Amino acid sequence: SYVLTQPPSVSVAPGQTARITCGGNSIGSKAVHWYQQRPGQAPVLVVYDDSDRPSGIPERFSGSNSGNTATLTISRVEAGDEADYYCQVWDLSSDHRVFGGGTKLTVL
Amino acid sequence: QVHLVQSGAEVKKPGSSAKVSCTASGGTFKNYAFSWVRQAPGQGLDWMGGVIPMFGTTKYAQKFQGRVTITADESTSTAYMELSSLRSEDTAVYYCARAPPKYHYDSSVYYSSSAFDMWGQGTMLTVSA
Repeated sequence: SYVLTQPPSVSVAPGQTARITCGGNSIGSKAVHWYQQRPGQAPVLVVYDDSDRPSGIPERFSGSNSGNTATLTISRVEAGDEADYYCQVWDLSSDHRVFGGGTKLTVL
Repeated sequence: QVHLVQSGAEVKKPGSSAKVSCTASGGTFKNYAFSWVRQAPGQGLDWMGGVIPMFGTTKYAQKFQGRVTITADESTSTAYMELSSLRSEDTAVYYCARAPPKYHYDSSVYYSSSAFDMWGQGTMLTVSA
């Protein structure tokens, strides 16, 4: 089955840029989606199809995808961005949706 | 404003079954695909399977095959997830999530690589003797 690998944690100071990676075999050929999950809440879509933002999501959130790594970039990080972030793709071979293990973003 | 509203928390005995509902209020139900995703305490998100009401088709993750049944009732705009042979490891929050349609160049519709653009509030299922 297809595996997505995320770092367990990323820390960043307020106002700095956070980059959260999602690794997978030839992930660049897949559409990658990113979700934010604050404690005790349901996930929220923040980036879809590699780099598009749903309405209402700040421009500070952006995404890229190439080769074996997709990246979620959060610019000018705020305290409210502290959350778990998950990447997700659809795996053609299994026809399954797959999530990465999640990354806890800590704002110092 | 469209919302996905899930049924309330449940406590079940090992070996029994649980059925969780997800009702789409305020919008179109038929044009979307619905998946179920579970999250065990302190763990990540785990896709269980999904249903496409327009096509009447379902797909289940290998891990849950044989134990999970996902259905949809267009008349009530509700998707259901039933999990059988419950064990303590099934204790988790269960979310429904909606995926919008995408279109091929020939205008045929597909959902497989769509993102989950809306989620229910989650349903806590506790399995305990």
